[in-house]
Amino acid sequence: AQSVTQLGSHVSVSEGALVLLRCNYSSSVPPYLFWYVQYPNQGLQLLLKYTTGATLVKGINGFEAEFKKSETSFHLTKPSAHMSDAAEYFCAVRALTTDSWGKFQFGAGTQVVVTP
Amino acid sequence: EAQVTQNPRYLITVTGKKLTVTCSQNMNHEYMSWYRQDPGLGLRQIYYSMNVEVTDKGDVPEGYKVSRKEKRNFPLILESPSPNQTSLYFCASSLSQDRAEQYFGPGTRLTVT
Repeated sequence: AQSVTQLGSHVSVSEGALVLLRCNYSSSVPPYLFWYVQYPNQGLQLLLKYTTGATLVKGINGFEAEFKKSETSFHLTKPSAHMSDAAEYFCAVRALTTDSWGKFQFGAGTQVVVTP
Repeated sequence: EAQVTQNPRYLITVTGKKLTVTCSQNMNHEYMSWYRQDPGLGLRQIYYSMNVEVTDKGDVPEGYKVSRKEKRNFPLILESPSPNQTSLYFCASSLSQDRAEQYFGPGTRLTVT
């Protein structure tokens, strides 16, 4: 069975500072990996995804993430935080086994607060 | 506009009174899924559907039913709601097995008293 762990339920960053959100997964086969963002009172919006190919993926709003198979990680970064980045972020994995490809697991989420 | 819609957005009901939350997408997506979001637990998958008439359980299916009779619709049914089903529910859809990025609806906040 696969699982997703997000380190840190709350992260506070200063405006202009690096944003780093950590995600580790456990899976027998490297899965598809996703980061989503949720703004207050809204649904989730895709930031970026990794399926195959280049391990450094770029997403919307200046975010990027790197898939590291040896570390089973998919950490999300943004070089310079903006006030509008305040939101909750979720890491998600999708199994690649044929009998459960429709199953997704989400991490518990990381709430990002950006201070002036 | 491409979107996933859910209705109702807010619902307060009593224990045992059957209810249905509707979900519809206008993107001709094959895959649809239901999640519940609870504080500190993230999103947990309830049921998913890979295509019409094909559904399967997620991690927390107990107390829920689904059906997929049309490609665009994927209703979530609570036959006998209980207070532990008080939660925020999201419907999502994606194009296919390979195009797995999901588009989410706006959510339905359900309170069962």
